[in-house]
Amino acid sequence: AAGVIQSPRHLIKEKRETATLKCYPIPRHDTVYWYQQGPGQDPQFLISFYEKMQSDKGSIPDRFSAQQFSDYHSELNMSSLELGDSALYFCASSLGPGQTQYFGPGTRLTVL
Amino acid sequence: AQSVAQPEDQVNVAEGNPLTVKCTYSVSGNPYLFWYVQYPNRGLQFLLKYITGDNLVKGSYGFEAEFNKSQTSFHLKKPSALVSDSALYFCAVNYGGATNKLIFGTGTLLAVQP
Repeated sequence: AAGVIQSPRHLIKEKRETATLKCYPIPRHDTVYWYQQGPGQDPQFLISFYEKMQSDKGSIPDRFSAQQFSDYHSELNMSSLELGDSALYFCASSLGPGQTQYFGPGTRLTVL
Repeated sequence: AQSVAQPEDQVNVAEGNPLTVKCTYSVSGNPYLFWYVQYPNRGLQFLLKYITGDNLVKGSYGFEAEFNKSQTSFHLKKPSALVSDSALYFCAVNYGGATNKLIFGTGTLLAVQP
């Protein structure tokens, strides 16, 4: 069965650079979520979208923005990167809000 | 405040023995409860969920969990552990409604010895 696709899988950036993470949900899933998992930590919710509109917002820094496009894929844009942004970034999708979330493999971001 | 607690950082069990990974949640509305498993350098894999109905929920790979409202618990269980079950297990809660986010526990590392 098709799963959530995330690209790139690994990304290395310098401080103050920008990064764009992409997420392609499971076909027919209309809801996308972004989570950040620091080393040895549990995933923390960043933001979610339902039908291309922001549906919920968590602890997402102002330096980050995200959107969901007409084909339901989503992009997380991160600017002015800091060392503390180094983490695994997961995207999840569901068939409607509040339904079971299926996670992608994650993008490992390293900020040097 | 909405929260999930996993009191054990690590659980050790011998292969073939039953395993239990504990999870408790804070009471607020009608929570949806989930278990996910994370293998090293991999994403989170859905195991099972409780929304409503039968308190005993069966999921993937022989795992099951029991919802206990009076104890606000949702412990993950398996009758016979496999070495391949060794991984990091996360309990999560979603309170539904306008809040779609999953709130995760801190995770429990399950180590199954051969």
